[in-house]
Amino acid sequence: DTAVSQTPKYLVTQMGNDKSIKCEQNLGHDTMYWYKQDSKKFLKIMFSYNNKELIINETVPNRFSPKSPDKAHLNLHINSLELGDSAVYFCASSPGGPPLRNNEQFFGPGTRLTVL
Amino acid sequence: AQSVAQPEDQVNVAEGNPLTVKCTYSVSGNPYLFWYVQYPNRGLQFLLKYITGDNLVKGSYGFEAEFNKSQTSFHLKKPSALVSDSALYFCAVRDIRNFNKFYFGSGTKLNVKP
Repeated sequence: DTAVSQTPKYLVTQMGNDKSIKCEQNLGHDTMYWYKQDSKKFLKIMFSYNNKELIINETVPNRFSPKSPDKAHLNLHINSLELGDSAVYFCASSPGGPPLRNNEQFFGPGTRLTVL
Repeated sequence: AQSVAQPEDQVNVAEGNPLTVKCTYSVSGNPYLFWYVQYPNRGLQFLLKYITGDNLVKGSYGFEAEFNKSQTSFHLKKPSALVSDSALYFCAVRDIRNFNKFYFGSGTKLNVKP
């Protein structure tokens, strides 16, 4: 009965590789997000999708490409991984219905990415 | 631009004592404010929110927060801390121009000692 799930939980890989992280939510929410949490625990939004449409695209290297095949899934593909990509990546979802201002976010457990 | 600040990296409190985790905000308009908690190796969990109405907001696990417009603050409080409250706490504000966007504070580590 997991609400927001992510796979894998841990990802260790070499510099230059390409990897993907998957996210699924079973809450029926319309909006999904990717956040990056760095080693100092600072949390920054990367992308957001609403009903499969990209609505937020922060200043993120174009090596990062999100994909939303349907509104319950939001995947993150990273090309040519760099040392600085090491972080914990969180997926989140939020109801899209009105009033939008009331809606909080529901977070997944995170994916710890380590680039060697 | 919207932002929140958490001035304390860490707060230490003894079990049974009241706790306060501070958050101040900067918003050009009505703020929509949230508190989340992150336990080790877990995702963030929603605690409470202020949208409108009463300045004192009650949330999960006995936490509450007081919205103070004049001081632009939204401090998280609990009358009696538990060791299990030890975690990382994040304040967040919703972007009033894009409700889908949130800005998070830098987090405050709460240590509750027995």
